[in-house]
Amino acid sequence: DAKTTQPPSMDCAEGRAANLPCNHSTISGNEYVYWYRQIHSQGPQYIIHGLKNNETNEMASLIITEDRKSSTLILPHATLRDTAVYYCIVRVAYNAGNMLTFGGGTRLMVKP
Amino acid sequence: SAVISQKPSRDICQRGTSLTIQCQVDSQVTMMFWYRQQPGQSLTLIATANQGSEATYESGFVIDKFPISRPNLTFSTLTVSNMSPEDSSIYLCSVEGRRGQGYTFGSGTRLTVV
Repeated sequence: DAKTTQPPSMDCAEGRAANLPCNHSTISGNEYVYWYRQIHSQGPQYIIHGLKNNETNEMASLIITEDRKSSTLILPHATLRDTAVYYCIVRVAYNAGNMLTFGGGTRLMVKP
Repeated sequence: SAVISQKPSRDICQRGTSLTIQCQVDSQVTMMFWYRQQPGQSLTLIATANQGSEATYESGFVIDKFPISRPNLTFSTLTVSNMSPEDSSIYLCSVEGRRGQGYTFGSGTRLTVV
């Protein structure tokens, strides 16, 4: 799986959009971009994933650049409960047995 | 997505003893994954557990230290053997969700070895 690079930490004001960047310059054509988050003392939680088109669900939006070398996770209206470590992971999807490889992630602190 | 029940949620154990962690899934899954998260660190995969076959261990992890059982398609156990303080970590099990739903993780077992 391709390697990802994320900033170690970010701050965001409550109610504002949180934009979390991820670089994955070695991504291959069949690799998807997945985002997970881990709130303190809990297991990681799936947020969203995409291949090349932008994606949106009830939790977040995922913007993938045209060359697929980077992406941004957007939390449109961050709340204090969004404070967590966010992991960007690149992997081949729907491949049973292909485990997740976690990098360092970005520690997002949402402040009042 | 699958619901995972992991037990115990936390434990404090004496050096040299062993602890068995249980992971129960509410649906049948082909593979289950066991991860370790050391204090302040990211998650590291320990092993992949297939029903009916030996677990596959990642580099740095061995069966004698982390024996795994997978008796059926909804259950697995991870044992941390002959524990030392360096084994103090959060241990998590995970399964792959249905197509497009990503992986689901248990809430983790916070282990402290004294």
